[in-house]
Amino acid sequence: GESVGLHLPTLSVQEGDNSIINCAYSNSASDYFIWYKQESGKGPQFIIDIRSNMDKRQGQRVTVLLNKTVKHLSLQIAATQPGDSAVYFCAEGNQAGTALIFGKGTTLSVSS
Amino acid sequence: DAGVIQSPRHEVTEMGQEVTLRCKPISGHNSLFWYRQTMMRGLELLIYFNNNVPIDDSGMPEDRFSAKMPNASFSTLKIQPSEPRDSAVYFCASSLAGGNNQPQHFGDGTRLSIL
Repeated sequence: GESVGLHLPTLSVQEGDNSIINCAYSNSASDYFIWYKQESGKGPQFIIDIRSNMDKRQGQRVTVLLNKTVKHLSLQIAATQPGDSAVYFCAEGNQAGTALIFGKGTTLSVSS
Repeated sequence: DAGVIQSPRHEVTEMGQEVTLRCKPISGHNSLFWYRQTMMRGLELLIYFNNNVPIDDSGMPEDRFSAKMPNASFSTLKIQPSEPRDSAVYFCASSLAGGNNQPQHFGDGTRLSIL
């Protein structure tokens, strides 16, 4: 069936390191992908998105990479800070679909 | 700009009671989504509206759940009667388009506890 999953449920890094959070998707028709950050007690917060006509998109300290060949998505966070500690979700969508499909989430823990 | 506003932030009630959750989407957004989040099942889409019309309610657990969107700036999710297994965080989100290829913006949720 169609699903969005994550390779690792938790990721622990040191402050200042770069973080890479991975996501696999199974629907080859998906053409839109989003990363969200969810802090404790808050709703998911939009970080960055990418459409299938691109393989890389950069934001402030974040980069999303899309590999359509292997249906893989990653979020790279440069110089990770304690404030980056949160649960990160990927989500996929397509123009023919009804709504975004969310993965289970990866917990990122940043230690000082 | 105000984001998606949900109320109440917390709700504790006894089973069998009616619960009403409220959402005000971002002004100008024409799609609205209700989600439920639990540790076991993650983030689940319950229902979504486009231009105030329910488009997909296949995620609504059962007849005890109902949702309305009487106008572009307000929606409710009602549970009647409530059960302990309904305990979860309920999120509302809105987007400019159908949401499947546009960012959805979430509120901070209602944490619901049914005793």
